[in-house]
Amino acid sequence: DQQVKQNSPSLSVQEGRISILNCDYTNSMFDYFLWYKKYPAEGPTFLISISSIKDKNEDGRFTVFLNKSAKHLSLHIVPSQPGDSAVYFCAARWSGGSNYKLTFGKGTLLTVNP
Amino acid sequence: IAGITQAPTSQILAAGRRMTLRCTQDMRHNAMYWYRQDLGLGLRLIHYSNTAGTTGKGEVPDGYSVSRANTDDFPLTLASAVPSQTSVYFCASRQGLDYGYTFGSGTRLTVV
Repeated sequence: DQQVKQNSPSLSVQEGRISILNCDYTNSMFDYFLWYKKYPAEGPTFLISISSIKDKNEDGRFTVFLNKSAKHLSLHIVPSQPGDSAVYFCAARWSGGSNYKLTFGKGTLLTVNP
Repeated sequence: IAGITQAPTSQILAAGRRMTLRCTQDMRHNAMYWYRQDLGLGLRLIHYSNTAGTTGKGEVPDGYSVSRANTDDFPLTLASAVPSQTSVYFCASRQGLDYGYTFGSGTRLTVV
């Protein structure tokens, strides 16, 4: 049973345009959400996060939106740059647990074309 | 440079052999994790440790064991490797409740 779903395996956008990566979750206990970026042959790196008490968090070109009623979050990258080309993982956590472990989606490969 | 070091970077291992993947961090993080990444399956948690001396099972623990004798080291052992354990293995640690994990660069393991 996949609790965090990224239904788009890949996304291709033009440089300068907006990239929107989507993520859905099924576990209503999740209260903290994160996005990670992963380049080939490297470990994932933390990008941005959002607590369930917020509906938006912004950091430079990256904005994450959370819709709790729909159990949906999205990552917006504006403007997209070729260096943003990577696999993006959505992750979720339940802070009431004893280990704060993250549950990851399968990832979306973003390609930004020059 | 502070971070997580994983070794080896890659390994080809004969089925049935025992192997330990090493993970060391110098950030004094209490919590550490082992994930495996497989194409089409994302990152799946194998084992975790909230603090030195404690460990717990993740989603896919079978065939793997871990130990946490001190804060810095969190080795992952495959007692008798099987081809289905071919994967990229990532070690991670966590700083605090509102911070994400810090990941190592991974170990690419091929079991033949």
